[in-house]
Amino acid sequence: SYVLTQPTSVSVAPGKTARITCGGNNIGSKSVHWYQQRPGQAPVLVIYYDTQRPSGIPDRVSGSISANTATLTISRVEAGDEADYYCQVWDTHSDHWVFGGGTNLNVL
Amino acid sequence: EVQLLESGGGLVQPGESLRLSCAASGFSFSNYAMTWVRQAPGKGLEWVSLIINNGDTTYYADSVKGRFTISRDNSKNTLYLQMDSLRAEDTAVYYCAKSPIAVAGTSWFDPWGQGAPVTVSS
Repeated sequence: SYVLTQPTSVSVAPGKTARITCGGNNIGSKSVHWYQQRPGQAPVLVIYYDTQRPSGIPDRVSGSISANTATLTISRVEAGDEADYYCQVWDTHSDHWVFGGGTNLNVL
Repeated sequence: EVQLLESGGGLVQPGESLRLSCAASGFSFSNYAMTWVRQAPGKGLEWVSLIINNGDTTYYADSVKGRFTISRDNSKNTLYLQMDSLRAEDTAVYYCAKSPIAVAGTSWFDPWGQGAPVTVSS
């Protein structure tokens, strides 16, 4: 089955830029979606179709994709950005929806 | 406003059954596929099952196939997850979520309900 690989954690100082990667075989051929999950809360969609922001998500949050890596970028990081972030794709071969293992963003 | 409200979670013994419900409001429920995603304590998100808008086609993760059944009642705007032969490893918070499309495909999930905790333990 298709596997998405994320770093376990990323640390960044306030005001700096955080980049969270999501690796998968030929992920560039898929559409990648990203979710933020704050402690004790349900996940919230922050990026869909690789680069699109839902309404209400600040433009500090952006997505990009290359052949084998998708990246979620959060600029001007704030304390409120501290959360777990998950990437997700649909695997056409198995008709399964797949999540990455999640990345904990730690704001120093 | 789109709202999803899960219910039916609780503590059960291994081998027992439980049915989760997800009441939807604020959108045309019958026009969209719906999904269940779970999260074991301290772990990441795991997709469980998806049902298309008219209920005719369903999809399951390998870990629950043959034990869980997803269904929907479009007249009641409600999604269900029947969980049989429960195991300790099914212990998790179960979220329902809305797909942006009617059928299966390259879709994301938004919004999510608040989650229903399920504990399988003797």
